[in-house]
Amino acid sequence: GESVGLHLPTLSVQEGDNSIINCAYSNSASDYFIWYKQESGKGPQFIIDIRSNMDKRQGQRVTVLLNKTVKHLSLQIAATQPGDSAVYFCAENGFTGGGNKLTFGTGTQLKVEL
Amino acid sequence: EAQVTQNPRYLITVTGKKLTVTCSQNMNHEYMSWYRQDPGLGLRQIYYSMNVEVTDKGDVPEGYKVSRKEKRNFPLILESPSPNQTSLYFCASSPRQGVSYNEQFFGPGTRLTVL
Repeated sequence: GESVGLHLPTLSVQEGDNSIINCAYSNSASDYFIWYKQESGKGPQFIIDIRSNMDKRQGQRVTVLLNKTVKHLSLQIAATQPGDSAVYFCAENGFTGGGNKLTFGTGTQLKVEL
Repeated sequence: EAQVTQNPRYLITVTGKKLTVTCSQNMNHEYMSWYRQDPGLGLRQIYYSMNVEVTDKGDVPEGYKVSRKEKRNFPLILESPSPNQTSLYFCASSPRQGVSYNEQFFGPGTRLTVL
């Protein structure tokens, strides 16, 4: 079946370094992707999104890259800070004909070391 | 403050005792959804609702019921909870149905333990 998954369950980076979190998807019809951040004890929070007609989108300290050829998505965090420590999920947003359906990957734990 | 609220935040119950987890949003969103989060499995959709009186099954609906009598509320009902429903539950809402490019807003979560 179709799936959205992550390559690494845990990523450790030094404070100030850049972080790259990867995500693979298998549904070639997917047209919209979202990255969520989930801090301990909280619900997922929207970080950034990208449509399939784009290759790159930048936000504040974050960049999402989409490679449709290999069905790969990445989240880059510049100058990683302790507050960035969290679990990061990529999600595929598919229009099912009736509404929004998010299919989530299993998540990557980002740990920022001081 | 625009938000999605869930109650209770924590609940320990016993097998077979009916329970309801409430979800409410104050953003006038049409679309609402319930997810459960389990280690190694990520977030999986249980049920969703496109508008009042319109609900449909997600990926893992067995053992759950929902209702959408009002736009702001979307309660999750477990008629006869079982231990395999021990999980972290999230309610989410988004502003429009029928459009795929929308952010979903999540509640703070409800930690349910069924003994």
